[in-house]
Amino acid sequence: DQQVKQNSPSLSVQEGRISILNCDYTNSMFDYFLWYKKYPAEGPTFLISISSIKDKNEDGRFTVFLNKSAKHLSLHIVPSQPGDSAVYFCAARQLDSNYQLIWGAGTKLIIKP
Amino acid sequence: DTGVSQDPRHKITKRGQNVTFRCDPISEHNRLYWYRQTLGQGPEFLTYFQNEAQLEKSRLLSDRFSAERPKGSFSTLEIQRTEQGDSAMYLCASSPPARAAVGYTFGSGTRLTVV
Repeated sequence: DQQVKQNSPSLSVQEGRISILNCDYTNSMFDYFLWYKKYPAEGPTFLISISSIKDKNEDGRFTVFLNKSAKHLSLHIVPSQPGDSAVYFCAARQLDSNYQLIWGAGTKLIIKP
Repeated sequence: DTGVSQDPRHKITKRGQNVTFRCDPISEHNRLYWYRQTLGQGPEFLTYFQNEAQLEKSRLLSDRFSAERPKGSFSTLEIQRTEQGDSAMYLCASSPPARAAVGYTFGSGTRLTVV
């Protein structure tokens, strides 16, 4: 029973264009959603988060949108750069869970020069 | 501060052997987590410490797994009688007392291969 789903295993985007990574969830008790970036042979690195009471959070080139009625969130990267090539994980935190995170399977983003 | 350190980076062991991994969190972080990640999947929660107290354990953590954080600083994860299904990346993360939603810092992980 996957509570957090990333349905696209990979995504290829031209450098300079927008990258959109999607994530769906099933549990209405999640109170925070996070995006992590992972390079090979390294641990995940925190990128951006959004509270369940908001619908948008922006940090530089990265914007996360949350649609609670659809139980869907997306990460937009504009403009995409070669260094953005990595695996991106969507994660969600359940209320009163000792800040434990439930993770999606990840989307591999490839930025083409 | 050098971040979260994990040792070793790689471990190859024969089935049935015991292995122990170490995690050194960021010094001012009182929360410490262990996760396991297999190929093509996201990390799965194993266990959580607040200071030296182990407050939560996943059902994934069978009786062959044990974790400690004796002085509230570094932590160890031991797997006894390893099985091939234990092959995975074992990730440690730490976070400060407040704002943990944005405070997870991961180490580079220990990749375990059971042959």
